[in-house]
Amino acid sequence: GAVVSQHPSRVICKSGTSVKIECRSLDFQATTMFWYRQFPKQSLMLMATSNEGSKATYEQGVEKDKFLINHASLTLSTLTVTSAHPEDSSFYICSARDRDAAGYTFGSGTRLTVV
Amino acid sequence: AQSVTQLDSQVPVFEEAPVELRCNYSSSVSVYLFWYVQYPNQGLQLLLKYLSGSTLVKSINGFEAEFNKSQTSFHLRKPSVHISDTAEYFCAVTWNSGNTPLVFGKGTRLSVIA
Repeated sequence: GAVVSQHPSRVICKSGTSVKIECRSLDFQATTMFWYRQFPKQSLMLMATSNEGSKATYEQGVEKDKFLINHASLTLSTLTVTSAHPEDSSFYICSARDRDAAGYTFGSGTRLTVV
Repeated sequence: AQSVTQLDSQVPVFEEAPVELRCNYSSSVSVYLFWYVQYPNQGLQLLLKYLSGSTLVKSINGFEAEFNKSQTSFHLRKPSVHISDTAEYFCAVTWNSGNTPLVFGKGTRLSVIA
């Protein structure tokens, strides 16, 4: 089946630094990638929708200058958390519509801890 | 706008007992419905989905869900649970036009007790 590879799985960074999270669709072309954030024991909240070759669409309340999304190719989308703060600590998950558009494939998630 | 309500945040159940996890949705257009399972510190795994056709859909590991349009529900059931079914379960909906994101319910924590 369709696979989305997400890296890193865990990252710890110092406050003020930036962290890049990558999601790659391995066996299909993901023209659109969705980025979610999940707080402990809570549901997934959509942060943004990234479209290949164009600017991402951010959900209300999500700072576009803080969460930079790039979707430069049909198989790679990246989320960069800039000037990270402890409140950015969370679980970030990407998702793409699979090749036959009949479902959604999720990355394995990235646990970000900002210290 | 679409929304999903999972009424039960936690469901404890004894091993080999049946379980139902409830999911109701709200949408003014036709929808696709999904159930995902999440184990600690992992991504989401698709359990089953309803796109069209038969309203009863089944997974390979014994779960099933029935799309009920009149009640706007998509409850998840399993006749006999195992310890390994302990996890977080999310119901999700999207509308079936264009490349649209999933909207998730708040999740139900299923705890299977030996």
